[in-house]
Amino acid sequence: DTGVSQDPRHKITKRGQNVTFRCDPISEHNRLYWYRQTLGQGPEFLTYFQNEAQLEKSRLLSDRFSAERPKGSFSTLEIQRTEQGDSAMYLCASSLSGARRGQDYGYTFGSGTRLTVV
Amino acid sequence: AQRVTQPEKLLSVFKGAPVELKCNYSYSGSPELFWYVQYSRQRLQLLLRHISRESIKGFTADLNKGETSFHLKKPFAQEEDSAMYYCALSALNTDKLIFGTGTRLQVFP
Repeated sequence: DTGVSQDPRHKITKRGQNVTFRCDPISEHNRLYWYRQTLGQGPEFLTYFQNEAQLEKSRLLSDRFSAERPKGSFSTLEIQRTEQGDSAMYLCASSLSGARRGQDYGYTFGSGTRLTVV
Repeated sequence: AQRVTQPEKLLSVFKGAPVELKCNYSYSGSPELFWYVQYSRQRLQLLLRHISRESIKGFTADLNKGETSFHLKKPFAQEEDSAMYYCALSALNTDKLIFGTGTRLQVFP
């Protein structure tokens, strides 16, 4: 297991186009998170899954954003009709939920997908 | 509202000098507090958390509930400590993290 993988690393798209990002978590981690980070800011929570269930969505996640985690493994984040304000680094992370955490605490982050909307 | 404040965007010190990166939080309950670090061209990673009360790479952080602070300290900075440091909190029973805006630590030789 090489950790959390995100694909693509970089994406440049024209305003109005749809984009989809993929995240492959650590295989034994049952929680998966999406964060967005803009320049000069810390990561901001977007949504998270426990197994295949999406348990929480931030109000930052407008109707143009949708995330899925079929079968509780990899996850996709889709942005429809992209806007210039969507330009950011999109980070994925995974972890074990509390009851199963034990010593293996904390998130493991991916390297992120940098989206540029032109 | 839940909030994490890191007042310094940049902290520059010379090698061997003490370092303190400030973090204050706002939360109505009992949060868990963390420090995450991002070295150049690397991914964000956990440095330490308040529950473990351990020292990692010479860094310590003490949770002060009265001052709602979780400052990160190191008595003697090393050049390899140069990185971006983020303070974060999570509420009990959730792993959602709320991050501060980060402090860039530069350690000069």
